[in-house]
Order: sequence, then structure tokens, then C-alpha cells
Amino acid sequence: ILNVEQSPQSLHVQEGDSTNFTCSFPSSNFYALHWYRWETAKSPEALFVMTLNGDEKKKGRISATLNTKEGYSYLYIKGSQPEDSATYLCARLYNQGGKLIFGQGTELSVKP
Amino acid sequence: GAGVSQSPSNKVTEKGKDVELRCDPISGHTALYWYRQRLGQGLEFLIYFQGNSAPDKSGLPSDRFSAERTGESVSTLTIQRTQQEDSAVYLCASSYGGRLNTGELFFGEGSRLTVL
Repeated sequence: ILNVEQSPQSLHVQEGDSTNFTCSFPSSNFYALHWYRWETAKSPEALFVMTLNGDEKKKGRISATLNTKEGYSYLYIKGSQPEDSATYLCARLYNQGGKLIFGQGTELSVKP
Repeated sequence: GAGVSQSPSNKVTEKGKDVELRCDPISGHTALYWYRQRLGQGLEFLIYFQGNSAPDKSGLPSDRFSAERTGESVSTLTIQRTQQEDSAVYLCASSYGGRLNTGELFFGEGSRLTVL
């Protein structure tokens, strides 16, 4: 089973709230986990590529953690802003050389 | 340098016609991916290339779909005898690649295909 699962499917928060999403994936034969942000009318853009169990990465107010043994990753946004509104996608690399499978995404809406 | 370029940006075609979608990856990127997003659904993996070879074609929905890549550069996704369920945004992405290929993907803006 190659499924990458993301939850919640959608999230509505107020400006200033902190929030987090979950990405679950099969833990066997793990190579890498990617996070992308996809804003409306734009192309998906990479946030993080994580490869090691226990990895923590941060970019501004956004951070992510990785647990490869139990098969999950969390994405955190601190102090959400309206410009954070987007769909957040995670993707798992399934083999060397690059089959990358995406989850369905979490759609975040931040209201001013 | 230039990003990933896709053409056409929009294509409206009649059921049964063939269409070709083109992707120009970032220069030097050895890995190239095709995904599609149908209305209300997530990104669906179609195929990826490492150089000019496609190690995994398992995502192609049917034998009406084919893809090729030449010169470790341009890729073409061809859909023969289009059906209405082929309507989607087709996204191309490239990455620096290499054997482990854990590098981030750079996406094009997509080709929106509408089959009437």
C-alpha cells in the first residue's frame, strides 16, 4: 500500500492562531518525506525535504518534524497569517530514483 | 534561470481527439515527473523519468497515455482518443535528481485540459 494520508482535510483558523497538520505514511523502505505549499492559481512550492528519523526543520513560522519509525510527519504554523492560506501537501519518496507519491493535502484558510 | 515551462497552458478538445502536452524542465535537472489533478482530487502520480528512461510507468491510467523524454530535457505527455474523464490539470515537475533523488520538486504552472 502506497497511500500517504493527510489530516485534517481542511482547517479554518483565525489570524494569530497556531495550527498543525499530520501526514501519515507506510514506514517501510523510507527514503524521504517532502512538504509543499500550493497557493491558489500558483504552482506547488517546496517547504521541506526530510530524510532522517527525528529530523526537525524550520522556515520562518513554519516547522516540521519527522518520525520514520512510526510513519508520520507534523507540519506546524505558528501565528497563522492570511497569506498562509493554501493547500499543504506531503509526499513520500518510495524508491531510489524518485517515485514521489502525494497525499490529498490539507486546505488551510486563515481569516483576518 | 528559467523555471519549469509547460505548454499549452489551456487546451480544450473534443472527445476522441489526441492531445500532446509539453514540459521543459529546469536545465540540468535529470528527474522529471508528470502528475495530474482532477477536479476535487489530489495530485495523482502518472510517470517519472530519470534521464530519458521511465523506471516506473505504473501511474499511467490506461494505454491511451504515453510519455517520452529526449535529450534529458523536454518531455511530452500524449493522450490518445481523449475521454471526458481525462479532463484535469496536468502538472510537470523536475528535480536535480541523482541516484537517491531526495531533492525538492520544481513545478510548472500546469496544462489545463478540458475534454468536451
